[in-house]
Amino acid sequence: DTEVTQTPKHLVMGMTNKKSLKCEQHMGHRAMYWYKQKAKKPPELMFVYSYEKLSINESVPSRFSPECPNSSLLNLHLHALQPEDSALYLCASSQDYDRSSYEQYFGPGTRLTVT
Amino acid sequence: QQQVKQSPQSLIVQKGGISIINCAYENTAFDYFPWYQQFPGKGPALLIAIRPDVSEKKEGRFTISFNKSAKQFSLHIMDSQPGDSATYFCAASITGNQFYFGTGTSLTVIP
Repeated sequence: DTEVTQTPKHLVMGMTNKKSLKCEQHMGHRAMYWYKQKAKKPPELMFVYSYEKLSINESVPSRFSPECPNSSLLNLHLHALQPEDSALYLCASSQDYDRSSYEQYFGPGTRLTVT
Repeated sequence: QQQVKQSPQSLIVQKGGISIINCAYENTAFDYFPWYQQFPGKGPALLIAIRPDVSEKKEGRFTISFNKSAKQFSLHIMDSQPGDSATYFCAASITGNQFYFGTGTSLTVIP
C-alpha cells in the first residue's frame, strides 16, 4: 500500500481565517513533505520532516506553520493567507530522508482557495 | 537556476503513437531520476524511475532511456492511449534528498 491521504480535498478560506491541512501515511515512512503547486507548474518544496523533526524549510512565509505530531501525521496550519497562496497543497512521504531511499509518494492534494 | 530542463511543454499524439518527453540535467551528482504522471486535480503519481547505472528501464508501455554522458533522460510511452493524457514531470535527486522537478509536459492523446 503506497497511499498518502490528505484532508480536506477542498478548502475555501478568508484572509483572516485559521485553518489546517492534514496528511496521513501508514507506510512506516520517516520522511514527510509539504509541496505547493500552482496550475501548470511543478510542485515546489515547502517543508521536509525527517523523523518528526523539521529538516528543511524552503524560506516559507510564517503564515504557513507545519507540525508533525507523530511519524504518520503531518499538519500544515494556515493563518492570514493571501489570495496568491491559492494553490494545490501536496503532501508526500518517503522511507527516509538524506539516506538511501528514493521514492516519494504523493497524496491527492488539498485545493486551497483564499478569498 | 533550473536544475532539470524538460521539453516539450506540450505534446499531441495520435492514439497508438509513441510519446517522447525529454529531460536534461547538469548536476552529475544526481543519482535518481523518476517520472511522475499527474491528472488534473490529483497528486503526482510515480510512474517509473531509473538510476544511472542502467541505460534503459521498461515497465509495460513506459520506458525510460538514460544517457549518462549526455546528461539526458527521456520517457517513451508506446501505443499511447487517450487515458495517458496527463501532465508528466521528470525529476532528479541525489540519493534521499530533495527532488528537482522539470517544468512539466502536457500530453494529449487524440483518438
